[in-house]
Amino acid sequence: ILNVEQSPQSLHVQEGDSTNFTCSFPSSNFYALHWYRWETAKSPEALFVMTLNGDEKKKGRISATLNTKEGYSYLYIKGSQPEDSATYLCAFLGNMLTFGGGTRLMVKP
Amino acid sequence: GAGVSQTPSNKVTEKGKYVELRCDPISGHTALYWYRQSLGQGPEFLIYFQGTGAADDSGLPNDRFFAVRPEGSVSTLKIQRTERGDSAVYLCASSLYGSLQETQYFGPGTRLLVL
Repeated sequence: ILNVEQSPQSLHVQEGDSTNFTCSFPSSNFYALHWYRWETAKSPEALFVMTLNGDEKKKGRISATLNTKEGYSYLYIKGSQPEDSATYLCAFLGNMLTFGGGTRLMVKP
Repeated sequence: GAGVSQTPSNKVTEKGKYVELRCDPISGHTALYWYRQSLGQGPEFLIYFQGTGAADDSGLPNDRFFAVRPEGSVSTLKIQRTERGDSAVYLCASSLYGSLQETQYFGPGTRLLVL
């Protein structure tokens, strides 16, 4: 069983705060790391697919970095807004996608 | 075009009953995936189809679970003799070619509650 862990499990921030959270995964047999955003009552939405060590990807105020040698990825949100409130999931691609438990972000106006 | 759709959105059933959950992927996507998300956990892989065939069904928990995709488009996940532990959100996703490095596009899920 692959161990994909996300921390923290939940996070409360004020509107305007910048925040980040972590996904850790096995450093061997790495193919890709996926990040998804899942708002309540909606479909999980793909944010990034990261494949190369040192990759940095950005989409608006959200960015992510990848370190495959040490087995972690960070997701950053700059200037959090209430609409950023969601669960952020990472998924490690070995033979199949293995998801972490998610970080639930709540942004207070 | 339309995204991935799943029906029903919610299903309540009694222990021991049979249920079918349907997934309609994005048109033209060859790969289709089923996941299950239990409360407080991330989605867990169940089965992956490439076209009509199950390329990997290693995630199905036991023989009460079965899935089909007869024409390479719509898929049905079938659960026999449901148990309370089957209560979860069942997610379906599709991707264009089936490369696991591709983005998978998810449906909104079916919330199954077994009483």
